[in-house]
Formats: sequence, C-alpha cells, structure tokens
Amino acid sequence: AQKVTQAQTEISVVEKEDVTLDCVYETRDTTYYLFWYKQPPSGELVFLIRRNSFDEQNEISGRYSWNFQKSTSSFNFTITASQVVDSAVYFCALSRGVYNQGGKLIFGQGTELSVKP
Amino acid sequence: GAVVSQHPSWVICKSGTSVKIECRSLDFQATTMFWYRQFPKQSLMLMATSNEGSKATYEQGVEKDKFLINHASLTLSTLTVTSAHPEDSSFYICSAEGGHSNQPQHFGDGTRLSIL
Repeated sequence: AQKVTQAQTEISVVEKEDVTLDCVYETRDTTYYLFWYKQPPSGELVFLIRRNSFDEQNEISGRYSWNFQKSTSSFNFTITASQVVDSAVYFCALSRGVYNQGGKLIFGQGTELSVKP
Repeated sequence: GAVVSQHPSWVICKSGTSVKIECRSLDFQATTMFWYRQFPKQSLMLMATSNEGSKATYEQGVEKDKFLINHASLTLSTLTVTSAHPEDSSFYICSAEGGHSNQPQHFGDGTRLSIL
C-alpha cells in the first residue's frame, strides 16, 4: 500500500526564519513520483515540484529547496528566509507509475505553515 | 498553458438538491481526470478516476450512485452530487492529466459546496 505521512500538523515561525517541512512515504513500487503542493487560504493547489524515484538530486529554486533520500523514504521541503506570503498548507504527495500512467495522487495530511511578521 | 477550469467555484443549496460541478481542460485534451474531496482541515482524498468514454473508477467507500461522474469529451468531466445532504458539504477539486509541461496533472481551483 502507498502512504504519505506529514507528521507536522502545524508549524509557526517568525519571518526570515528557515523552516523544514517533513514528508515520509511508503511504497512498494520502484518507479514513482513525489510532489509538493502549496494550498493558500483561497483553496487552489499550487504545484511546487515533482521528483521521480530515480533522481535523488537535491533541488533548489529560489528560497525553496528539497531533499530526497530514498534510504529513509523522505522528501523534505525547506523554505529559507520565510516570508508572510509563505503562510499556507503544504501537501506532499505520491503517485505510482510513469508520467501520464496511473497518475492519481496520494496526499499526506498536510502541514499548515504560519509565518508571522 | 495547461489550464483547468472548474465551475462553479462555490455553491450553496438546500438539502435534497442535486449539484453538478464541471471540470474543463481549456487548452489540452485530457483522457483522464480525477476528482478529489477535501473536508475542512483535512487532506485531499481521491474519489474517482474519470476516463473519457468509459465508466469512472471509484475509490473504496465512495458511493457511485451518489457521486455521478460523466466524462463525455476529452475536455470535460462532470461530477453530480445527487440528493446532497449537509454531510456532503466539502471542497471538491478536479485535476486533468495531460498537457505538455513538467506537471503530470493540472488542478482546477476547486468548488466549495455547502448544503443547508
């Protein structure tokens, strides 16, 4: 069975602090994809990143960075120098198979990040 | 590119009413669309997978006679909540697979359904 666990339900930080959101996944598939989405209060899902199971390179995009470690089945997300606009619920998700095949997503419980000025 | 439009964005109606939600891929063809439901402060749960021209595949525990899904064309899938009751109040969000981008699926903006 596939499962995504985001153990941190809520995180509160002060602006400019760095914050890491944890994501641990379970799957028996050898080919899978991992995702992070941002859901602001307005409700829409904003795509942040997709990583396939064969690419363990860490990625940095501006203030965002991701650390993928297959050995610990984790795909953690770090926001550097957080800003108030980063306040949202962040979801980690897993899908099986290759692109455009069986692409349904299994979401973690979400982490609500609150960045205070 | 790769935009998914979901309509309506919110709806309030009386108990017993049937409500239809549309999900359209505006600039690409989507052979597969997905419907998710999200209760307040909870995660998104997949309800069903919708394939163009065939019957939808429902996840365990989702009543197919209550949540009717029709995927009549490559750009449109509809979800009808039949005889809605207050416990059906939720945020419903669709996604469409396809489009040439680094995203395997594209989400609509969701529909907030409130049943009085």
